Amino acid sequence: EVQLVESGGGLVQPGGSLRLSCAASGFTFSSYWMSWVRQAPGKGLEWVANIKQDGSEKYYVDSVKGRFTISRDNAKNSLYLQMNSLRAEDTAVYYCGGGSYLFPMFWGQGTLVTVSS
Amino acid sequence: AIRMTQSPSSFSASTGDRVTITCRASQGISSYLAWYQQKPGKAPKLLIYAASTLQSGVPSRFSGSGSGTDFTLTISCLQSEDFATYYCQQYYSYPPAFGGGTKVEIK
Repeated sequence: EVQLVESGGGLVQPGGSLRLSCAASGFTFSSYWMSWVRQAPGKGLEWVANIKQDGSEKYYVDSVKGRFTISRDNAKNSLYLQMNSLRAEDTAVYYCGGGSYLFPMFWGQGTLVTVSS
Repeated sequence: AIRMTQSPSSFSASTGDRVTITCRASQGISSYLAWYQQKPGKAPKLLIYAASTLQSGVPSRFSGSGSGTDFTLTISCLQSEDFATYYCQQYYSYPPAFGGGTKVEIK
């Protein structure tokens, strides 16, 4: 069974940092593009970033460029999102997703990030 | 960036109804479109990709059509478990963009 489990969310002050993790199981993690997608409270979905199977290509939405870094460790079947210089508008549930290049075929349950003083 | 517009944003329907949700892209995206279903407090679930290809395990009452800029998701016979919010997403170009969502509520 495909499973993605996010962790690392929480309350952080504006300007602070947080690192999200996503543990994958039930599929060959190293064979798939992986993505982060977020959803602000009561709002729609927003694609954040994705990373190629070997980590050689990474793409970001403009609003997080220079602040967020996506990475992966195929030996640990894990995906990461390092988030720096956090802003109130980054408050959201962050989902990791995997499968296809630009549309996640399977998703984790999400982790909530709240940026507030 | 390509913008995706869904209509309506919400509507009420009854079990057994045939329902159609529309998604429009601000520029042509060929058939690079996916549809997701999301229930409250849950992660989205992929229903359809390539505009009309049903994801494995998704009931056949769901279907998708369209290409270019105009797309539809149809549920042929609405079931109780189908009351949810539906999102379209283009993956023709970066950044991949979602529509604003369509909430299907019980009448």
